[in-house]
Amino acid sequence: EAQVTQNPRYLITVTGKKLTVTCSQNMNHEYMSWYRQDPGLGLRQIYYSMNVEVTDKGDVPEGYKVSRKEKRNFPLILESPSPNQTSLYFCASSLGRAGANVLTFGAGSRLTVL
Amino acid sequence: KNQVEQSPQSLIILEGKNCTLQCNYTVSPFSNLRWYKQDTGRGPVSLTIMTFSENTKSNGRYTATLDADTKQSSLHITASQLSDSASYICVVTRQAGTALIFGKGTTLSVSS
Repeated sequence: EAQVTQNPRYLITVTGKKLTVTCSQNMNHEYMSWYRQDPGLGLRQIYYSMNVEVTDKGDVPEGYKVSRKEKRNFPLILESPSPNQTSLYFCASSLGRAGANVLTFGAGSRLTVL
Repeated sequence: KNQVEQSPQSLIILEGKNCTLQCNYTVSPFSNLRWYKQDTGRGPVSLTIMTFSENTKSNGRYTATLDADTKQSSLHITASQLSDSASYICVVTRQAGTALIFGKGTTLSVSS
């Protein structure tokens, strides 16, 4: 089944404890992206990647890192999480440019930073 | 400024009734507009995509319209079902295709 898989789905952590949210897709998509979704703010893009070793900042990149060493994986790294990073995170992928193709979203990862 | 505004913010309707959700945008240059459906606790799923030259597109009981002159789109849901309860998100792409501008969504609740 074609899908985007995120892990973990739920995570509670404490301020300053580094964590990684993994994202993997099995559709051979070039484009991958991370979003956070907060009540009243909608989806906001954190980082995106057009292909392997090519990443770029989205609208809200502060406090996050990403890497794209393999085409299928696009992990989101929080080096020193803070409570304002408590949010629902979505990874998404598409074939080619995101605007020209349908984005396939993962099921989401709910992160709570205490 | 490139923005996408959706209305209403939330809506409650009875099962079987029709409803229309609105999306106004100021994105320029325009490439395409998509409607996504997001069930609670799930990732968004694409319903329709419309380019500049398309006025109407249907997907089952969902019909999207686009007026590129007034920069308005609507999503009409016919004969609503309980499973239509979700958030509906309008997403506009700027020309060149990498910049997606998301609306904040309309939360639809269908009750029996």
